[in-house]
Amino acid sequence: EPEVTQTPSHQVTQMGQEVILRCVPISNHLYFYWYRQILGQKVEFLVSFYNNEISEKSEIFDDQFSVERPDGSNFTLKIRSTKLEDSAMYFCASRGAGGMENTQYFGPGTRLTVL
Amino acid sequence: QKEVEQNSGPLSVPEGAIASLNCTYSDRVSQSFFWYRQYSGKSPELIMSIYSNGDKEDGRFTAQLNKASQYVSLLIRDSQPSDSATYLCAVPPRGTYKYIFGTGTRLKVLA
Repeated sequence: EPEVTQTPSHQVTQMGQEVILRCVPISNHLYFYWYRQILGQKVEFLVSFYNNEISEKSEIFDDQFSVERPDGSNFTLKIRSTKLEDSAMYFCASRGAGGMENTQYFGPGTRLTVL
Repeated sequence: QKEVEQNSGPLSVPEGAIASLNCTYSDRVSQSFFWYRQYSGKSPELIMSIYSNGDKEDGRFTAQLNKASQYVSLLIRDSQPSDSATYLCAVPPRGTYKYIFGTGTRLKVLA
């Protein structure tokens, strides 16, 4: 069964450093998402991406964040200058063509720890 | 700001019992509703979706939707210890495809 994959599973970085989190969505999916979950809190939407551009973003997704689909398979989230409060689980999700079918499938997540 | 509300629990039920998990949402024109299960330290795993008023059954799981009351629930029949997890309700606001998640309800099934 196709699945979303994410690398790395755990990333430790120093405050102020740049990190890139990688995702490979399900191959025939067209819509891609990043969510984050701070420990003990709810899953929060960051950004959605369709047709090579951002379709929606939350107030969390400020200028320090960017997304890219550099090739036909990868979808990346970059945090330019990490802060302590960026420590969280980051989940990538993808979904198919749309209409009433809006089911998103989540990857296993990347745990980001900012020291 | 669209909201999705869940009781955080924990909800404790004995093995073999029915667990009932509830979710309310604020956007009265939302059209699709999703239940995910999340084990500690893991990612959300889809249990089922529901789009129409009424019940939808899939194995031991039944989702119930009442759009007039802005209420969606998940019943788990014959609960097993392996069902112990946090159950997340997700609702995309009308006109978007992002999910708004509730805080999740932690379910404990006691052997």
